[in-house]
Amino acid sequence: GENVEQHPSTLSVQEGDSAVIKCTYSDSASNYFPWYKQELGKRPQLIIDIRSNVGEKKDQRIAVTLNKTAKHFSLHITETQPEDSAVYFCAIAGGTSYGKLTFGQGTILTVHP
Amino acid sequence: DGGITQSPKYLFRKEGQNVTLSCEQNLNHDAMYWYRQDPGQGLRLIYYSQIVNDFQKGDIAEGYSVSREKKESFPLTVTSAQKNPTAFYLCATRGGRSYEQYFGPGTRLTVT
Repeated sequence: GENVEQHPSTLSVQEGDSAVIKCTYSDSASNYFPWYKQELGKRPQLIIDIRSNVGEKKDQRIAVTLNKTAKHFSLHITETQPEDSAVYFCAIAGGTSYGKLTFGQGTILTVHP
Repeated sequence: DGGITQSPKYLFRKEGQNVTLSCEQNLNHDAMYWYRQDPGQGLRLIYYSQIVNDFQKGDIAEGYSVSREKKESFPLTVTSAQKNPTAFYLCATRGGRSYEQYFGPGTRLTVT
């Protein structure tokens, strides 16, 4: 089945620094790439997503970049704040798994004040 | 997200008992999903339903069962055959041709 590898598993940064999380996938037919943020004990919340016909998308301090040739996509958070501390999950969908999301293993981001 | 409810928030059961987790939505979404989340792992798909009266197994369906008799409801039963049922269970919905999935608040099940 589809596979998504997410790195790093933990990331610690100082407030104001940038954070980058990367995911690689195997199904070249995937065409939807969302990122979710999950705070402790809460539900995952969609923070940004990108379709395969777009290489980059930005929303204020967060951005997602997609390299379809290399089959990887990344989440970029600039000017990090303590409230950005959470677990971040990437996911893929489309192709052979329309409507189904396959998730990465998650990255625990800690932003130190 | 506010249109998806899961109850109860915490659930405790003895080993060997079946237990049913509730998921209700008022978003008029056709598709509904059940995921399991364990510490340090991503979300794994248990079952999903694209339309009423139809559902498919996900990646880890063994020991679970579902029904989809109404559009608004997609209950998940954790049977005694599930070897490690203690986990955080999340229900999600998806509407129309969108890929976006929206999650309920989750139920934390503890089996001892």
